[in-house]
Amino acid sequence: SQQGEEDPQALSIQEGENATMNCSYKTSINNLQWYRQNSGRGLVHLILIRSNEREKHSGRLRVTLDTSKKSSSLLITASRAADTASYFCATGGVNTDKLIFGTGTRLQVFP
Amino acid sequence: GAGVSQSPSNKVTEKGKDVELRCDPISGHTALYWYRQRLGQGLEFLIYFQGNSAPDKSGLPSDRFSAERTGESVSTLTIQRTQQEDSAVYLCASSFEGLTAYEQYFGPGTRLTVT
Repeated sequence: SQQGEEDPQALSIQEGENATMNCSYKTSINNLQWYRQNSGRGLVHLILIRSNEREKHSGRLRVTLDTSKKSSSLLITASRAADTASYFCATGGVNTDKLIFGTGTRLQVFP
Repeated sequence: GAGVSQSPSNKVTEKGKDVELRCDPISGHTALYWYRQRLGQGLEFLIYFQGNSAPDKSGLPSDRFSAERTGESVSTLTIQRTQQEDSAVYLCASSFEGLTAYEQYFGPGTRLTVT
């Protein structure tokens, strides 16, 4: 069964706006990762945040993690049409070697 | 260096036939993962290799699915007696070590269509 639930399932915004995607999970984690997928093929790693971290930045990306609420958010600032893709969160468990992926958010950025 | 590669990129097969999907991980990556992604869905974990052993096969959906890995290199995922519900994109990923503390690098996937 899938660990992560993401919302919204789909998000449409205009270029220049910010996009926020949320991920909730159920069990204790070691870390949480965000990936991007274009056109239903290979995923690209965006950012990893460890369970003892609360916020992390990478370029236009900002990730937060609230372990008490078992949730994370990915913020993309000043979005571009090229950001159009599906975004997945994935959790790394404490006693497991596998990532469990969420259901994904499909982001559409209109020029 | 080269990323993760997978072959074939597309495979169309008739129901009941066997198929073999190949994954070449990044050189030096000891961990290798197989996932399945149905249309519009998230990733479904299938199996994980650390070196050439598979400590976690819990995601294989049935005994028609098997996988092997040669050394710390190529892996093949075999689906026997394919069914229409096997149609999906099969993604392979590798990482520097096992344990989820490391990011995974994904291949482009093999799109399998069972007719």
